[in-house]
Amino acid sequence: GAGVSQTPSNKVTEKGKYVELRCDPISGHTALYWYRQSLGQGPEFLIYFQGTGAADDSGLPNDRFFAVRPEGSVSTLKIQRTERGDSAVYLCASSFGAGSVETQYFGPGTRLLVL
Amino acid sequence: GQQLNQSPQSMFIQEGEDVSMNCTSSSIFNTWLWYKQDPGEGPVLLIALYKAGELTSNGRLTAQFGITRKDSFLNISASIPSDVGIYFCAGYTGGFKTIFGAGTRLFVKA
Repeated sequence: GAGVSQTPSNKVTEKGKYVELRCDPISGHTALYWYRQSLGQGPEFLIYFQGTGAADDSGLPNDRFFAVRPEGSVSTLKIQRTERGDSAVYLCASSFGAGSVETQYFGPGTRLLVL
Repeated sequence: GQQLNQSPQSMFIQEGEDVSMNCTSSSIFNTWLWYKQDPGEGPVLLIALYKAGELTSNGRLTAQFGITRKDSFLNISASIPSDVGIYFCAGYTGGFKTIFGAGTRLFVKA
């Protein structure tokens, strides 16, 4: 069956530009997570959605980062006024139920490069 | 904030050798997780541990949840070339946030 998909797979942008990264979770999964993985590091939690609402956004680094999940399925991570330090792989994961972190399925990630 | 110290950072081994890597934390976790990440892919769960002292196997992989709840180790027996990748430990205390280590990069020479 289909796994978590993320688009685009790669994104190159210039400093100061706005970017949107999309995540399509596994069908039926109500929980959705965004992580950021910098080079040589493990994934770093950004935000968690249960259904349409952000249940925990404590990992978003600043107000330039925002995520939505308007219909409880697809999610978009939005980054305004991108900075070079935002360059990383952005991973999305989904799981069947609330708090089922051990059953998260990760997508392949979007590699963002800010020049 | 919570941090996980994962070691070693990288390992170069011969095919057939056993591998051991570990993870320590200054904080207590309720759940320890071990993931593997291949290039260009997201992490894939290998083993989940839920109780202090628990020892769990998955094929050639064995992981243990330390009795202090502040550490965990992963062993791989009789390594093969497809074991190459990055192994991450992760800890979970409840809520929705999983804390990941920086990873152990495994290289296997055939």
